[in-house]
Amino acid sequence: DVKVTQSSRYLVKRTGEKVFLECVQDMDHENMFWYRQDPGLGLRLIYFSYDVKMKEKGDIPEGYSVSREKKERFSLILESASTNQTSMYLCASSRPGQGAPYNSPLHFGNGTRLTVT
Amino acid sequence: QQQVKQSPQSLIVQKGGISIINCAYENTAFDYFPWYQQFPGKGPALLIAIRPDVSEKKEGRFTISFNKSAKQFSLHIMDSQPGDSATYFCAARVPDSGYSTLTFGKGTMLLVSP
Repeated sequence: DVKVTQSSRYLVKRTGEKVFLECVQDMDHENMFWYRQDPGLGLRLIYFSYDVKMKEKGDIPEGYSVSREKKERFSLILESASTNQTSMYLCASSRPGQGAPYNSPLHFGNGTRLTVT
Repeated sequence: QQQVKQSPQSLIVQKGGISIINCAYENTAFDYFPWYQQFPGKGPALLIAIRPDVSEKKEGRFTISFNKSAKQFSLHIMDSQPGDSATYFCAARVPDSGYSTLTFGKGTMLLVSP
């Protein structure tokens, strides 16, 4: 069974701090994603990666960066946390879409609830 | 720009009733339409999915109805149970992305009352 593990369930950080959210998957998936979830706004894609050291911007990349040094690990970085980044952050992984069957679902972690004060 | 519009935002259904959640889209190039189910404290998980060349897909009590001409699809939960209480997201796959990138609706919070 695919497991996506996010290192922290809850985080409280101060405005201006540099914040690292870590995600590890154990199924050798090429694709990894970071979403943020806000009430009434659904799931919005921040960044994704389709290979080690590769990254692509999603819909809301401003204020974030990512790092993927190993295939199984994908980190989301808030260079200078702000209060509007208080949110639930969800990491996900999947097999490649290109050439893969349609049913290559996203496997999500249980989320990190980040509060920036 | 919201590419997938989902309604209603919340829904209360009595046990045994039918829950219906609707989604509409504009991009006719979308090629895959999954629904994800999220329980409190958990990440979303794939529930059921459909391709646009099929008008209906059924898995147990869950059915997707797809209307290509109207650019709408919906999730029907028959004989709704309290254990179905969760947030449901419809989604559409971004075409030609090659990366299984999905765009999600805003979610529907379903409460099934006992």
